[in-house]
Amino acid sequence: QVQLVQSGAEVKQPGASVKVSCMTSGYPFTIYAMHWVRQAPGQRLEWMGWINGVNGDTKYSQNFHDRVTFTMDTSARTAYMELRSLTPEDTAVYYCAREGSPPGHDALDLWGQGTNVNVSS
Amino acid sequence: SYEVTQPLSVSVALGQTASITCGGNNIGSKSVHWYQRKPGQAPVLVIYRDKNRPSGIPERISGFNSGNTATLTISGAQAGDEADYFCQVWDSRTAMFGGGTKLTVL
Repeated sequence: QVQLVQSGAEVKQPGASVKVSCMTSGYPFTIYAMHWVRQAPGQRLEWMGWINGVNGDTKYSQNFHDRVTFTMDTSARTAYMELRSLTPEDTAVYYCAREGSPPGHDALDLWGQGTNVNVSS
Repeated sequence: SYEVTQPLSVSVALGQTASITCGGNNIGSKSVHWYQRKPGQAPVLVIYRDKNRPSGIPERISGFNSGNTATLTISGAQAGDEADYFCQVWDSRTAMFGGGTKLTVL
């Protein structure tokens, strides 16, 4: 079955880091890019960037570029998003979403179910 | 940065036609993609590149893009169409999303 399955909800304190995983199945992992998108309460979807499964290249939104890292484990068919120096404004649902390569041109044709990240002291 | 705007909500009577707009400066020159998200579920791509339906999306869902407005049309609205709908474009290789429109089927 073609799907993206994300890791479970996280509760973090301000200043901590969070790492969300996105496990893929049912398609060739390395010919697609994986995007990360988040939605904070009451806000619109916000694109964070992508990692290209073909070559590991990354592109980060300027809003996050110094706090976020995308990685992937091709043997585990899993993509990861790590966000550091969390603040309450990072409380959001985080999604992974697939796009064909090269990324940055087309639709995100498959999405994960979302991971709730709550940042609170 | 490029901005896309959507109405917060649209209501449609059961069996009638709903139109959800996505506005942006000369958005007709860009490819617009539309996503449907039901509560607690993953977003689903329903229209890509303005007017194309992925496999499994019914023909009663269609898209059009021209000038400053892209439109998602749902004909013969069903209760199962109740969801949030988001449009998305690329601008300088950055994904820009509309604020989302909640479709209510009455």
